[in-house]
Amino acid sequence: GQNIDQPTEMTATEGAIVQINCTYQTSGFNGLFWYQQHAGEAPTFLSYNVLDGLEEKGRFSSFLSRSKGYSYLLLKELQMKDSASYLCAVMDSNYQLIWGAGTKLIIKP
Amino acid sequence: EAGVAQSPRYKIIEKRQSVAFWCNPISGHATLYWYQQILGQGPKLLIQFQNNGVVDDSQLPKDRFSAERLKGVDSTLKIQPAKLEDSAVYLCASSRTSTSYEQYFGPGTRLTVT
Repeated sequence: GQNIDQPTEMTATEGAIVQINCTYQTSGFNGLFWYQQHAGEAPTFLSYNVLDGLEEKGRFSSFLSRSKGYSYLLLKELQMKDSASYLCAVMDSNYQLIWGAGTKLIIKP
Repeated sequence: EAGVAQSPRYKIIEKRQSVAFWCNPISGHATLYWYQQILGQGPKLLIQFQNNGVVDDSQLPKDRFSAERLKGVDSTLKIQPAKLEDSAVYLCASSRTSTSYEQYFGPGTRLTVT
């Protein structure tokens, strides 16, 4: 079967760094995505990794290891507006997204 | 560029009633997706259209759910009759093609079945 695992909830302090991990087992692999979803809103695209390594985009970075079936999203200089759920999703061999349940990130002052 | 439009934003119905949701994707996007997102879970794909044809509806409960995209542009998703467990947010997303890596989501319709 196909499976995406990520922690249910994490708490971090404003200004700090947090790493959200994601492990996956899927039928084929055409890339891994991270989406941000604020409460009551639609998911918005953050990052896409298809090759191993680190992709940096401003305060957010995403890492992929295909051999380990592992990714993480790194958020630096946390701001209160970063409080949201972060969804990990893998595009399988049929180009369909398999979604994790999301990690709720709580930022404290 | 206008985003994905959905209506209504909120709907409350009683079980066994019917409901319909509407989605207008980004202009020029050939692929349209309907997802169901239950509180605390990730989105679950219900149906995927490529133009006006169905690519995948393997997770659509066909005894009560139906969807169409007759002209290959906007789409409707219907539930008839609704059950309590259908309470969720219904998200519509679109992408340029079925192999495009980025999907653009609409604001969603929050359905409550009482």
